[in-house]
Amino acid sequence: AQSVTQLGSHVSVSEGALVLLRCNYSSSVPPYLFWYVQYPNQGLQLLLKYTSAATLVKGINGFEAEFKKSETSFHLTKPSAHMSDAAEYFCAVTNTGTASKLTFGTGTRLQVTL
Amino acid sequence: SQTIHQWPATLVQPVGSPLSLECTVEGTSNPNLYWYRQAAGRGLQLLFYSVGIGQISSEVPQNLSASRPQDRQFILSSKKLLLSDSGFYLCAWSGVGVKMFFGPGTRLTVL
Repeated sequence: AQSVTQLGSHVSVSEGALVLLRCNYSSSVPPYLFWYVQYPNQGLQLLLKYTSAATLVKGINGFEAEFKKSETSFHLTKPSAHMSDAAEYFCAVTNTGTASKLTFGTGTRLQVTL
Repeated sequence: SQTIHQWPATLVQPVGSPLSLECTVEGTSNPNLYWYRQAAGRGLQLLFYSVGIGQISSEVPQNLSASRPQDRQFILSSKKLLLSDSGFYLCAWSGVGVKMFFGPGTRLTVL
């Protein structure tokens, strides 16, 4: 079985501040982990993925995430928030090596204020 | 490059009416296809996935059905909509590997 938990359904940061979106996973075997972003009324876009290579993964738009097995975490960070980062972010996990069993978290809505 | 289309973009339907949402993929062959529903505060719920023509797996019991009449076409249907069917419906595809690509979505409101 596999699951992800995203802590905080809403996160608000000031422009220029650090963005930290939390994701904890549960998997009986080494997982593949993902972060997706969704802008209003659009589909999801892949930000980055972890597939058992480097534990620090860099994605698009300046985001990165670190896989920490001891903490079963895969938190998403960005050093300096931009207004354009306002969106909903989803963490996802699969332990099968295929997308067919991708399990998504409930999402975190990021608000960026001036 | 691969492209995924969904239509309509928005839809308002009365309770009890039928539903047909269509998804097509371009630029790839034999994709795995998925229907997800996104309801407020509930994340993404996988409804159906298909690994080939005529092959449909249902993840949750519900008022909906799916069909795959062609390799790159995936249709979501209902004979009689319920209020609880309202939501944002996303079609997605994947090939070999773990990456999944999403369409632009359909906003369905059932009144």
